[in-house]
Amino acid sequence: GNSVTQMEGPVTLSEEAFLTINCTYTATGYPSLFWYVQYPGEGLQLLLKATKADDKGSNKGFEATYRKETTSFHLEKGSVQVSDSAVYFCALRTGRRALTFGSGTRLQVQP
Amino acid sequence: DTGVSQNPRHKITKRGQNVTFRCDPISEHNRLYWYRQTLGQGPEFLTYFQNEAQLEKSRLLSDRFSAERPKGSFSTLEIQRTEQGDSAMYLCASSPLAGGPDTQYFGPGTRLTVL
Repeated sequence: GNSVTQMEGPVTLSEEAFLTINCTYTATGYPSLFWYVQYPGEGLQLLLKATKADDKGSNKGFEATYRKETTSFHLEKGSVQVSDSAVYFCALRTGRRALTFGSGTRLQVQP
Repeated sequence: DTGVSQNPRHKITKRGQNVTFRCDPISEHNRLYWYRQTLGQGPEFLTYFQNEAQLEKSRLLSDRFSAERPKGSFSTLEIQRTEQGDSAMYLCASSPLAGGPDTQYFGPGTRLTVL
């Protein structure tokens, strides 16, 4: 079946530091890959997505590249801000319409 | 576009009681999903509608759970004879019926606490 594994948090960084949150997946077929973000007190929001191998999704300075050979979709940002503090979820979707989520990684950015 | 709305936002109930949650998707979104999220975990899929048809149900959806979408617009999720293990955030999402990978838009969730 499908599964997503994320690095455990919390990840604590200073403002302007480089961010990487690792995500690897197991899936049948060719999944689409997503990163969702959940800010404190808010609902899940789509951050970025990639639909095929070697695609790069990007939004708000965040990037992730669909790596089929390593079954990975790591999230990166060159310079984090305090406002990026949130929980980040990696997810995938194959033929089924439902998303399969990882367990989430909490990011804390300190000024 | 007012987004996906869910009511109530919070529900506290006693074990054994029945509860019902409502989800109003983004207008003209044909697909509607229910997920459950427990503390420290990612959302887990419960069930999926396309218009009024319930096309898929997870094994997580026990016989005590039932979901409906009678007119293909809003949906309800009912839990009968609630148990403490049902305490969780129940999320609803919707997406348009369009070609290619769809983006699911999530509501704020209903937090259920079973005492």
